[in-house]
Amino acid sequence: NAGVMQNPRHLVRRRGQEARLRCSPMKGHSHVYWYRQLPEEGLKFMVYLQKENIIDESGMPKERFSAEFPKEGPSILRIQQVVRGDSAAYFCASSPLMRAETQYFGPGTRLLVL
Amino acid sequence: GQSLEQPSEVTAVEGAIVQINCTYQTSGFYGLSWYQQHDGGAPTFLSYNGLDGLEETGRFSSFLSRSDSYGYLLLQELQMKDSASYFCAGSPSPGGATNKLIFGTGTLLAVQP
Repeated sequence: NAGVMQNPRHLVRRRGQEARLRCSPMKGHSHVYWYRQLPEEGLKFMVYLQKENIIDESGMPKERFSAEFPKEGPSILRIQQVVRGDSAAYFCASSPLMRAETQYFGPGTRLLVL
Repeated sequence: GQSLEQPSEVTAVEGAIVQINCTYQTSGFYGLSWYQQHDGGAPTFLSYNGLDGLEETGRFSSFLSRSDSYGYLLLQELQMKDSASYFCAGSPSPGGATNKLIFGTGTLLAVQP
């Protein structure tokens, strides 16, 4: 049973470009979460999605960031016009139903903005 | 606001017992989870307390006291591979409007031979 998959594992972008991060949840999981981790810091919640619905986006910056979880295919975290401050590790997690206490994390995408 | 505080670093020797504390400043948490992270890799779920008291899972135990806004992770029979960062995370009530985790500041555990 494959775990949470994220790609790419590393992504380099220049300021002003767009970054697209993909996440495929564990089989049977319909709840996806995105977290951001800056170096030497904890994980910060960004957004919580179910299939075709954004449930909680209270941690998402109001501009340039968007997320989706379509009926078919992976969840996508999109960052437009990236800036150096967007450089971080972005982790996706999934859970079955609404069991928040057990979220399974992917390996993360390390975004570096030059 | 919601915040969970942990000691930044803890050092212990192989075979010993270590306790990592987590104190929080909000009444919005229902349960407390613990995650392990090696070298910035994928956080791995360790333990969850949905009720006050002690939960035991092999060498790891976790404790929660909602009245004291306090919890801890206890690691016994420490091994070198336990060297990692440990995060507590507060979760909302099951069945509520959201399912997000609020992570603590993290504790870097160094196990020495």
